[in-house]
Amino acid sequence: GESVGLHLPTLSVQEGDNSIINCAYSNSASDYFIWYKQESGKGPQFIIDIRSNMDKRQGQRVTVLLNKTVKHLSLQIAATQPGDSAVYFCAESSNAGGTSYGKLTFGQGTILTVHP
Amino acid sequence: DGGITQSPKYLFRKEGQNVTLSCEQNLNHDAMYWYRQDPGQGLRLIYYSQIVNDFQKGDIAEGYSVSREKKESFPLTVTSAQKNPTAFYLCASSELGGRQPQHFGDGTRLSIL
Repeated sequence: GESVGLHLPTLSVQEGDNSIINCAYSNSASDYFIWYKQESGKGPQFIIDIRSNMDKRQGQRVTVLLNKTVKHLSLQIAATQPGDSAVYFCAESSNAGGTSYGKLTFGQGTILTVHP
Repeated sequence: DGGITQSPKYLFRKEGQNVTLSCEQNLNHDAMYWYRQDPGQGLRLIYYSQIVNDFQKGDIAEGYSVSREKKESFPLTVTSAQKNPTAFYLCASSELGGRQPQHFGDGTRLSIL
């Protein structure tokens, strides 16, 4: 079946560095992608999303890059802070078939640890 | 503030017992979802609902049941038929249509006594 996965399960960075979290997806029909941040004992928090008609989207300190040719998604966090330490999930959906429901398929997550 | 409220935060189930997890949202979202998260894993979809009085099975619906009598409420019952219920359960909601972000509550952790 289709799946979304991550290249690196853990990432450790120093405070102030830039972080890059990667995600590969296999469904060529995927047309919407989301990044979530999950802190321990809490639900996932929406960070940023991107549609397949875009290659890049920027938010506050975060940038998502989409490479549809190689089915790769990345989340860049600028000037990483200790409060950014969490598990980061990518998720994708497709509207193949014309249904109005976009089922999200989640990756396994990457643990980001930021050292002061 | 608008958001999704899940209760209780921790829940314990005895053998042969059904338990119900509450999920309420005041975001005026039409769609609601239940996910299960096991340690070190991503989220797996249990059930979802796009409209009141209608819901569909997700990828792992066996041993679970839901109802959607009100737009703002989507309770999940973990039945005794679910043999491995220990997990972190997450409720989410979104606007209708594809390409809409889902917003999550803070989860209920279910354990077996």
